[in-house]
Amino acid sequence: AQKITQTQPGMFVQEKEAVTLDCTYDTSDPSYGLFWYKQPSSGEMIFLIYQGSYDQQNATEGRYSLNFQKARKSANLVISASQLGDSAMYFCAMRESQETSGSRLTFGEGTQLTVNP
Amino acid sequence: DTEVTQTPKHLVMGMTNKKSLKCEQHMGHRAMYWYKQKAKKPPELMFVYSYEKLSINESVPSRFSPECPNSSLLNLHLHALQPEDSALYLCASSFYGTVEGYTFGSGTRLTVV
Repeated sequence: AQKITQTQPGMFVQEKEAVTLDCTYDTSDPSYGLFWYKQPSSGEMIFLIYQGSYDQQNATEGRYSLNFQKARKSANLVISASQLGDSAMYFCAMRESQETSGSRLTFGEGTQLTVNP
Repeated sequence: DTEVTQTPKHLVMGMTNKKSLKCEQHMGHRAMYWYKQKAKKPPELMFVYSYEKLSINESVPSRFSPECPNSSLLNLHLHALQPEDSALYLCASSFYGTVEGYTFGSGTRLTVV
């Protein structure tokens, strides 16, 4: 069963507008972490934002915020005031505490974001 | 130091060559990982080292041989690769026993000719 679902293979947004990238997850582990990464064409996996399952408030990092709805098991990334440099592939990922031997990240399929001038 | 450093950034090798990828971190992370990523796909886990011991091998072919000489260093030795092994190889590290602090290197883009 797929644990991380990103339903938007591609998204387009106008420069300076906000955009929401969707992510839903599935886990029975009460302790988990959710991550968003940006991967430009150069390949590096750039960490954007982290949300822990016990965190009371939604995470924010500059122009990035995470809309965490625990009951719905969703962790959408909101990018405000989009810039041309935001064009990249975006991955949602989850890490579960039940992993006993170092813990893997489970990734979604990714969303390719294109920011238009 | 909050980085994971991978070398080389690019590698072209023949099917009979032996080469190694290197990964280094100085964040005190005790779990280190190798992921393989094909174009337009998410990364796939290959190996996990916990406290310098191999804890997970995701049924990776023996032509890929990982090594963790110490808590800061992770190598991936390559031998007799196939063209389908061409991919981006990402190293990552994390704290052990928590769900936080997962950091990736910038990757090695490998081409097998």
